[in-house]
Amino acid sequence: AQSVTQLDSQVPVFEEAPVELRCNYSSSVSVYLFWYVQYPNQGLQLLLKYLSGSTLVKGINGFEAEFNKSQTSFHLRKPSVHISDTAEYFCAVSDLVYAGKSTFGDGTTLTVKP
Amino acid sequence: DTAVSQTPKYLVTQMGNDKSIKCEQNLGHDTMYWYKQDSKKFLKIMFSYNNKELIINETVPNRFSPKSPDKAHLNLHINSLELGDSAVYFCASSQESTGREQFFGPGTRLTVL
Repeated sequence: AQSVTQLDSQVPVFEEAPVELRCNYSSSVSVYLFWYVQYPNQGLQLLLKYLSGSTLVKGINGFEAEFNKSQTSFHLRKPSVHISDTAEYFCAVSDLVYAGKSTFGDGTTLTVKP
Repeated sequence: DTAVSQTPKYLVTQMGNDKSIKCEQNLGHDTMYWYKQDSKKFLKIMFSYNNKELIINETVPNRFSPKSPDKAHLNLHINSLELGDSAVYFCASSQESTGREQFFGPGTRLTVL
């Protein structure tokens, strides 16, 4: 069994400030880790992913995330946010063993204020 | 070209009706998914279909049934629609051998009256 916990349901932040969206996971097997973004009235799109190798992964739009195996975390960061980053962010894990087995967190609403 | 497409984009129907939502992917992926997103934006996986193996989320009522005529299509059929079925339904696809990044369709907003 696997689960994903996004620790903040809403994160308000001012433009040009740094932001961190937190994600913890649990799984009985090894997993791939993902962050997706959903802009209003759209489908989800991939921000970044961790499959293996370097624990710091860089994604689109200036986002990065760090995989911490000991803390089973995969927190998303951006050093300076823009108004256009306002969206819903989802952390997800995918089971390495069973194809098609994915679990998403409940999402974090990032609101960037001017 | 649209990678993952869904039809229709909006679906308004009466309780008790039967409806279908179609999904097609042109990425050559081997796994397809259906998700339900409720009004609070919670995203729940309903089904995944990989090389003709169906993985069902046990919480999905059996009024929902996926149908896959081929690897590029995974349709969702819903019988006896209920008010609680109102949501946005997303189709997605991924490739087992390249890390399982999922590509999502634009969604179908289902409203049951």
